[in-house]
Amino acid sequence: GAVVSQHPSWVICKSGTSVKIECRSLDFQATTMFWYRQFPKQSLMLMATSNEGSKATYEQGVEKDKFLINHASLTLSTLTVTSAHPEDSSFYICSARELPRQGSTRGYTFGSGTRLTVV
Amino acid sequence: QQPVQSPQAVILREGEDAVINCSSSKALYSVHWYRQKHGEAPVFLMILLKGGEQKGHEKISASFNEKKQQSSLYLTASQLSYSGTYFCGTPNQAGTALIFGKGTTLSVSS
Repeated sequence: GAVVSQHPSWVICKSGTSVKIECRSLDFQATTMFWYRQFPKQSLMLMATSNEGSKATYEQGVEKDKFLINHASLTLSTLTVTSAHPEDSSFYICSARELPRQGSTRGYTFGSGTRLTVV
Repeated sequence: QQPVQSPQAVILREGEDAVINCSSSKALYSVHWYRQKHGEAPVFLMILLKGGEQKGHEKISASFNEKKQQSSLYLTASQLSYSGTYFCGTPNQAGTALIFGKGTTLSVSS
C-alpha cells in the first residue's frame, strides 16, 4: 500500500533557528502533498497544500514566510519552519494520496509526524 | 468548513458498542474516517463516496447520508485496540485536501 515517510520524527531547536521537515512518498508519485499541524488533544489543522513544481497554497492565517514549502519532485515535499519560536512547537504531519486504481478507492496516507520543540 | 463531530469522548468496556457522528453545514460529497493513537499518525479506516453508502472494516462500519449531510461510524463489540481518537474528514473547497473534525476520543477498558 501507499507509504509516506516523514523525517525527522522529532527535533529540538533553539529560538531563531530554522528547521526542515521532509515528507516522501515511497511507492507512489504525489503531485500534491498536504501539511497539517496538530496541538495536543486537538484536531489536525490544514496548513498548506504543496504542489509539485509550483507554489504552495496556504490556508488562511498561515504565514507563508514562516512556513516555507518546497515540492521539488513527485516524491518529496519539505516544510521549513523559519526563525522558529516556542509558539511554533507542535506536531507537524504530512499527507499524500495515491491516485486510485481502477475499481479501488484509497484514502490519504499520513507520515508518522514530526514533533517540533523550540526552546 | 470544519465538520462537526459528536460526542467529544466515549468511554466503553470491551464488547460494548459506540456510534460517532459527523455532520457538515455544507454539501458533502465524501467522508473519510481515520483513527489516531497518541503520538502517532492518523490511520485511514474508510471512505464513503455516495449517499446511502455503507462500509465495514472488521467490526467498524460507517454510513453516509448525503441528504442530511452527515456520516456515522459504528464500532461494534469494541476491543482494547479500538482506543484512540477518531476523526472524520471532508474535502476542502478545492476538493484536494481534507478538513478534519475536532475528533472523538474513544477509551476502551477491560
